[in-house]
Amino acid sequence: EIVMTQSPATLSVSPGERATLSCRASQSVSSNLAWYQQKPGQAPRLLIYGASTRATGIPARFSGSGSGTEFTLTISSLQSEDFAVYYCQQYNNWPPGVTFGGGTKVEIK
Amino acid sequence: QLQLQESGPGLVKPSETLSLTCTVSGGSISSSSYYWGWIRQPPGKGLEWIGSIYYSGSTYYNPSLKSRVTISVDTSKNQFSLKLSSVTAADTAVYYCASTITMIVVDWGQGTLVTVSS
Repeated sequence: EIVMTQSPATLSVSPGERATLSCRASQSVSSNLAWYQQKPGQAPRLLIYGASTRATGIPARFSGSGSGTEFTLTISSLQSEDFAVYYCQQYNNWPPGVTFGGGTKVEIK
Repeated sequence: QLQLQESGPGLVKPSETLSLTCTVSGGSISSSSYYWGWIRQPPGKGLEWIGSIYYSGSTYYNPSLKSRVTISVDTSKNQFSLKLSSVTAADTAVYYCASTITMIVVDWGQGTLVTVSS
């Protein structure tokens, strides 16, 4: 099983600042990496797939980069609605394996 | 954009079988574009992939749950279902159904909390 490790677990950022979230895979997943945002009491929402392609309707302040085992989600200027938990997910080795990272909580500093 | 809605009991006794159904609207479950999946999230924890099914009936399960999971599809009702047997308290979670394209989750149900308790 490919293990996805996200860091940091919690990121404290002021509104308007940049946030950089990391996701590491235990083996290469090529560019088969997605990012999701989850707000309290809600289902997750797809932000990024293919490591760097924004999903429909996702603002340009969200960007993804990386390939292989190291990936980054950057939020260029945090808005109030961006404070949430972010998960990465690899889908490189299905079937059967699809795995999520443990999440990074972005909180208001 | 598809709409997905989970339904089923919110309380299941230990050792029994958890059963949930997902009803898809806004599109056909027989679409060749999608795989249909189940994902769960224990309270306060992260996401875990349970498994996926194609409209043809092909299934893919998380190896860690494979011995206890069955996912099926009913194209006539535009639904797919999850059965998880021999549940314990560790199976308490919010269960989401989802539409996926190459395992990228594009649409999520709202989620349903299933508690395992006697």
